[in-house]
Amino acid sequence: EPEVTQTPSHQVTQMGQEVILRCVPISNHLYFYWYRQILGQKVEFLVSFYNNEISEKSEIFDDQFSVERPDGSNFTLKIRSTKLEDSAMYFCASRKDSYEQYFGPGTRLTVT
Amino acid sequence: KQEVTQIPAALSVPEGENLVLNCSFTDSAIYNLQWFRQDPGKGLTSLLLIQSSQREQTSGRLNASLDKSSGRSTLYIAASQPGDSATYLCASGSGSRLTFGEGTQLTVNP
Repeated sequence: EPEVTQTPSHQVTQMGQEVILRCVPISNHLYFYWYRQILGQKVEFLVSFYNNEISEKSEIFDDQFSVERPDGSNFTLKIRSTKLEDSAMYFCASRKDSYEQYFGPGTRLTVT
Repeated sequence: KQEVTQIPAALSVPEGENLVLNCSFTDSAIYNLQWFRQDPGKGLTSLLLIQSSQREQTSGRLNASLDKSSGRSTLYIAASQPGDSATYLCASGSGSRLTFGEGTQLTVNP
């Protein structure tokens, strides 16, 4: 069964560094998402992406964040200058035309 | 702003018991309600999606209901098994985003 995949599974970075988290959505899906979950807290929506542009973003998704679909298969989340509070599990999700979103296994980002 | 709440926060039951997990949301203008399972340190596995026009969905031993007018959804698990032990999350869908509850941590004891 097709799955959303994410790399790396764990990323450690120093404060102020740029990180790129990568996702490969399910191949025939059209809508792509990033969510994050800070340890012990709720899963929070960051951004949705459709037809090569952002369709919605949350107040968390400020100028430090950007998303890109550089080719036909990858979907990336870039954090330009990481802060300690960016430490979280980042989940990519995708969906086709129904509303059911399918999530990847996540990337654990640790900012030191 | 949508708020989603799940009760109870944790639940421990003996194997074989039927159980109900509760989810409430403040804004009834939702497109759908999705239930997920999350194992420790893992991603989210979609269990059931209920469209706003539907009242319930069933998959195997799971049944989810939706009452938009009262802002509630329930997940019913029949004949629980130790393998059902996980955190169960509900999420309301409106626009592009899902808004999640805190989850119910379920432990099924053999």
